[in-house]
Amino acid sequence: ETGVTQTPRHLVMGMTNKKSLKCEQHLGHNAMYWYKQSAKKPLELMFVYNFKEQTENNSVPSRFSPECPNSSHLFLHLHTLQPEDSALYLCASSQDGDRPIQYFGAGTRLSVL
Amino acid sequence: GQSLEQPSEVTAVEGAIVQINCTYQTSGFYGLSWYQQHDGGAPTFLSYNGLDGLEETGRFSSFLSRSDSYGYLLLQELQMKDSASYFCAGLMDSNYQLIWGAGTKLIIKP
Repeated sequence: ETGVTQTPRHLVMGMTNKKSLKCEQHLGHNAMYWYKQSAKKPLELMFVYNFKEQTENNSVPSRFSPECPNSSHLFLHLHTLQPEDSALYLCASSQDGDRPIQYFGAGTRLSVL
Repeated sequence: GQSLEQPSEVTAVEGAIVQINCTYQTSGFYGLSWYQQHDGGAPTFLSYNGLDGLEETGRFSSFLSRSDSYGYLLLQELQMKDSASYFCAGLMDSNYQLIWGAGTKLIIKP
């Protein structure tokens, strides 16, 4: 069983759809992250949850809505997305005191039509 | 602003040594991490330099010089499986989050 699991791996959605990305970590970590990865660009930190509390929101548009029901699960709810939101969305986790070391899921490849 | 610069692509020969540089322009910098990402895969942690100097982990070493705002990842005895993208990421002391470089694609030729 991998440490951080993301579903689905691929998602195609129209601009009017609503969908959710799911992340689950089996490492006992207390910090979880959502990143956006676009080709040839740095990873963009979107949200950080620490002990289920959101501690970072890097000016992310409201069409992205995170949810962290417990320290093992993280969701990213998507609605009325734009084509420029097409990217790889990565989830990661870490021990709060060990943030240089983050464990990533394989990501969800999102295409917005 | 805060940014980390690294070459977009590096080519090397199997069995050789390659160095991937990372320079940063940021204040409040705490340390430098390195990650590897194969095509279609997840980024995986390689090393972290919280202090100046060299950290060695098997065939991989990482170096940090705060006075030069510079670090590098050194890969020795290159193997074909090392073909991947390598990312440097700076840990900021303002919010203890990682700021990422755009990645270096390492191409290894037989």
